[in-house]
Amino acid sequence: GESVGLHLPTLSVQEGDNSIINCAYSNSASDYFIWYKQESGKGPQFIIDIRSNMDKRQGQRVTVLLNKTVKHLSLQIAATQPGDSAVYFCAERGSGGYQKVTFGTGTKLQVIP
Amino acid sequence: DAGVTQSPTHLIKTRGQQVTLRCSPKSGHDTVSWYQQALGQGPQFIFQYYEEEERQRGNFPDRFSGHQFPNYSSELNVNALLLGDSALYLCASSLLGLAGGDTQYFGPGTRLTVL
Repeated sequence: GESVGLHLPTLSVQEGDNSIINCAYSNSASDYFIWYKQESGKGPQFIIDIRSNMDKRQGQRVTVLLNKTVKHLSLQIAATQPGDSAVYFCAERGSGGYQKVTFGTGTKLQVIP
Repeated sequence: DAGVTQSPTHLIKTRGQQVTLRCSPKSGHDTVSWYQQALGQGPQFIFQYYEEEERQRGNFPDRFSGHQFPNYSSELNVNALLLGDSALYLCASSLLGLAGGDTQYFGPGTRLTVL
């Protein structure tokens, strides 16, 4: 399948280590943030989300941290596995009834066995 | 429970032609959004449909149009194709609630190649 990772920042992590993927967002009015994982040849897959009234949210092996002061978002993946290899996008959505979602540049995660 | 489905999977067209892409939302969802993803980049929002009307639009020319049907499925039409329209076209569905909507779930995309 085609690669979605061309020309993207790449993070290489040893299998079993923790991964941290960072994202800066631009719109201070955004009230909802999402992390998506995209494997080659597939559409983005929802991982975890966080609303602007929170600064941390945990899922299964993943944690999202939100720092509204500096408009920064991070995704932490615990005990990274080969299946975690993919491109990760942060996305933001403004307040209101309709959902225009703006995606960040993306980071390619490579897990070294 | 079927997720978001899109058709066709791949499509090859020539410059100047017109194309129609189709999307069926996840069961229970009423809102469909379309995105264009160029190789190596993040998805770019094209527009969103709810109750059969276009509700929001990104920075795309009028050559890009869409439609939503009473069963919530949707079409994306692109007229007068340009080489730069070659991309992966993604459909995402969600349920528009009072709190500003639910998470968008994406389909596998349609890979459009314009020659």
